[in-house]
Amino acid sequence: QKEVEQNSGPLSVPEGAIASLNCTYSDRGSQSFFWYRQYSGKSPELIMSIYSNGDKEDGRFTAQLNKASQYVSLLIRDSQPSDSATYLCAVSGGGGTSYGKLTFGQGTILTVHP
Amino acid sequence: NAGVMQNPRHLVRRRGQEARLRCSPMKGHSHVYWYRQLPEEGLKFMVYLQKENIIDESGMPKERFSAEFPKEGPSILRIQQVVRGDSAAYFCASSPTGVETGELFFGEGSRLTVL
Repeated sequence: QKEVEQNSGPLSVPEGAIASLNCTYSDRGSQSFFWYRQYSGKSPELIMSIYSNGDKEDGRFTAQLNKASQYVSLLIRDSQPSDSATYLCAVSGGGGTSYGKLTFGQGTILTVHP
Repeated sequence: NAGVMQNPRHLVRRRGQEARLRCSPMKGHSHVYWYRQLPEEGLKFMVYLQKENIIDESGMPKERFSAEFPKEGPSILRIQQVVRGDSAAYFCASSPTGVETGELFFGEGSRLTVL
């Protein structure tokens, strides 16, 4: 079982729609959760972090965390073609692991078409 | 206000040669991380360093790979006797604190091709 699992996609949504990206993790002791965006050939860029159960909103982005279900999601409202990228879910702080590292999922490719 | 600087951006080596990748963290950041990204795969943690100390190297292959972050100068990831399977993008990231409470700032990556 992968430690952090995402649907690889590609996920295709029309411009203006809501894109929903999902992630599950296996280490129940994980404490911190992140969503990174990576454009092709570029470096990952942090777009959201979440540490407690519930929703966290930042502009068009909403992160949702459910520790009981070991599930993290990212919603992108009013999707734009510029949102087309690979979205990486990352987790840290599990029991027995160094706080100094993130465990990434394999990423979900999102395509927003006009 | 420079971000995380990595060089070289692209490196080509023949099998058996050595590859040295350098990373200068953002100003004020004392925590450095190296990740490897293979084609069509996610980022895999390799090593976490602070100045002059390796904190966690659980992701480093046992042979041929080493990393350092000296008191002066950049962090260096060294791969000896490279093989084709080492071809990948190597990303360095830095943070002002441990990642538990902060975000990682990534460099543009060094893309290693082994012929």
